[in-house]
Amino acid sequence: GAGVSQSPRYKVAKRGQDVALRCDPISGHVSLFWYQQALGQGPEFLTYFQNEAQLDKSGLPSDRFFAERPEGSVSTLKIQRTQQEDSAVYLCASSLAEGAGSNEKLFFGSGTQLSVL
Amino acid sequence: KNQVEQSPQSLIILEGKNCTLQCNYTVSPFSNLRWYKQDTGRGPVSLTIMTFSENTKSNGRYTATLDADTKQSSLHITASQLSDSASYICVVTSPDYGNNRLAFGKGNQVVVIP
Repeated sequence: GAGVSQSPRYKVAKRGQDVALRCDPISGHVSLFWYQQALGQGPEFLTYFQNEAQLDKSGLPSDRFFAERPEGSVSTLKIQRTQQEDSAVYLCASSLAEGAGSNEKLFFGSGTQLSVL
Repeated sequence: KNQVEQSPQSLIILEGKNCTLQCNYTVSPFSNLRWYKQDTGRGPVSLTIMTFSENTKSNGRYTATLDADTKQSSLHITASQLSDSASYICVVTSPDYGNNRLAFGKGNQVVVIP
């Protein structure tokens, strides 16, 4: 596809349910990032992949959050035993460059809006 | 403490008017500063990226300025259009963050009314 694609677009989960959010980055992009964005706030870093390697997961808020990118393209963010405080928009972004420090553009998906009831 | 502060938090402007959004940062050292536009329900879209040595960059009706000495940036929107209604996010990169983290501001929420 032409851009970063995320699915589902919206997800409603009951508290305690497990959810899986998918990200299809732009083909050939080396770097993939996951961010969490609360209403009215800027995105907060969760985790970073360089190809299939998860190089930084220090932003994951708890061990209920798990991310993978097994073949270096599609990534999945899994949240186990969801809590109400997990309600947010989860954004995925990809870049041709390694890391986010270069001047390469970071391309974002439209996000998955997760609502935990 | 947020290392990127944006003001005003929200702004309402008339279609056709100009506006300026401010971003102050404390991130140091500094790699680059980016402005993104985020429409409601969409992901952020890159408007400009500026390095330390650049002090102005334009993208159509959007002009970003950077003063690395005072750690301030601004985004100027000229002849605003209804489609400019969005959140504008200032993002600063520092090599001290490693390659993986960007410092995001909370955004300037702009509403353009006819």
